[in-house]
Amino acid sequence: NAGVTQTPKFQVLKTGQSMTLQCAQDMNHNSMYWYRQDPGMGLRLIYYSASEGTTDKGEVPNGYNVSRLNKREFSLRLESAAPSQTSVYFCASNQGYAFFGQGTRLTVV
Amino acid sequence: GQQVMQIPQYQHVQEGEDFTTYCNSSTTLSNIQWYKQRPGGHPVFLIQLVKSGEVKKQKRLTFQFGEAKKNSSLHITATQTTDVGTYFCNSHNQGGKLIFGQGTELSVKP
Repeated sequence: NAGVTQTPKFQVLKTGQSMTLQCAQDMNHNSMYWYRQDPGMGLRLIYYSASEGTTDKGEVPNGYNVSRLNKREFSLRLESAAPSQTSVYFCASNQGYAFFGQGTRLTVV
Repeated sequence: GQQVMQIPQYQHVQEGEDFTTYCNSSTTLSNIQWYKQRPGGHPVFLIQLVKSGEVKKQKRLTFQFGEAKKNSSLHITATQTTDVGTYFCNSHNQGGKLIFGQGTELSVKP
């Protein structure tokens, strides 16, 4: 049982580069989420998808885009990375309570 | 939008002391959930409270939901080093958003 799988686990980007963080869940959950976690800031919601085919902005959506490719997959894209996007990113799915992936530690230099 | 505020942000205790973290909302919550994140790890679900005044226990952890369903607390009796981590509360509001509090980071001195 994999649960929620995020890739990659670590990434270093240069300012201005783009990348996509991948997330997949095998629990047939409708809802999926992307969070970022910074020291002292808790978990902040970037985007979420209540069901396949829908996405909505969370608390801190600027600089990000998402795609709910199908029920299993929810990706997060940084079109032009900035140092302020250095963070740990967590994907989660929810059916009653949230299951989190292992996280992606992203550094933008 | 609905916000949950969590206090304190940090708590340092001596092993064996008790610990409490509080989660407060300005609006009535449909439920409250608690998660624990170990250092370097990801948040893991602990428990959900739904009913007004509800109290649940998990070994040394006691969770309460306020009578007005606007606040909740997590109390740990006689902390151990294994309790170290960040504790988050969360409420699932209408529309599917999962908004977390800032979390309380607990450190335990052996």
